[in-house]
Amino acid sequence: SAVISQKPSRDICQRGTSLTIQCQVDSQVTMMFWYRQQPGQSLTLIATANQGSEATYESGFVIDKFPISRPNLTFSTLTVSNMSPEDSSIYLCSVEGGSLGYTFGSGTRLTVV
Amino acid sequence: EDKVVQSPLSLVVHEGDTVTLNCSYEVTNFRSLLWYKQEKKAPTFLFMLTSSGIEKKSGRLSSILDKKELFSILNITATQTGDSAVYLCAQADYGQNFVFGPGTRLSVLP
Repeated sequence: SAVISQKPSRDICQRGTSLTIQCQVDSQVTMMFWYRQQPGQSLTLIATANQGSEATYESGFVIDKFPISRPNLTFSTLTVSNMSPEDSSIYLCSVEGGSLGYTFGSGTRLTVV
Repeated sequence: EDKVVQSPLSLVVHEGDTVTLNCSYEVTNFRSLLWYKQEKKAPTFLFMLTSSGIEKKSGRLSSILDKKELFSILNITATQTGDSAVYLCAQADYGQNFVFGPGTRLSVLP
């Protein structure tokens, strides 16, 4: 299955600032997925990122708040913009692994103060 | 909206016990049901189920899917403290849409 390197692993940010999270995959993948997991909650899909096209956002998530880049088939970034304490969550990227299911990055634990 | 329900939401057992975790789903265009174990941040893949009635096993863990009744179970036999985690199930459809359940928090006491 694919191996995903995600960074940063954690960060503490001031409200009103932005943080960019990076995911690097060791193989080419068509689709990459970005999730948020708020404290005590399950995973919620933010958006699906395809190379060469704009990301597709789920209901409740907008590009201005969570801009995504997908410059090639092995890399993607998610930016959390104009952060507030409500954005404190774990953010995860994921790719499909065929018969091995979906593989997740190691996650970014974001705390906004 | 598609909905994935897991039960129980939390469970405390002692080492050696056997546990059964439940996952039910409501979805059209169903493709697969997946189980994950989440200990810290990143969920780790356990099973992907696409066909009814075929049990998948990995060591002490096993899982089966019932597409008629729209549910799946995850069994863990002879539990160990290292099994303590949140177990997530998720359903995927052919549109690559993924919905996760709320998870079952399992605590295995020595």
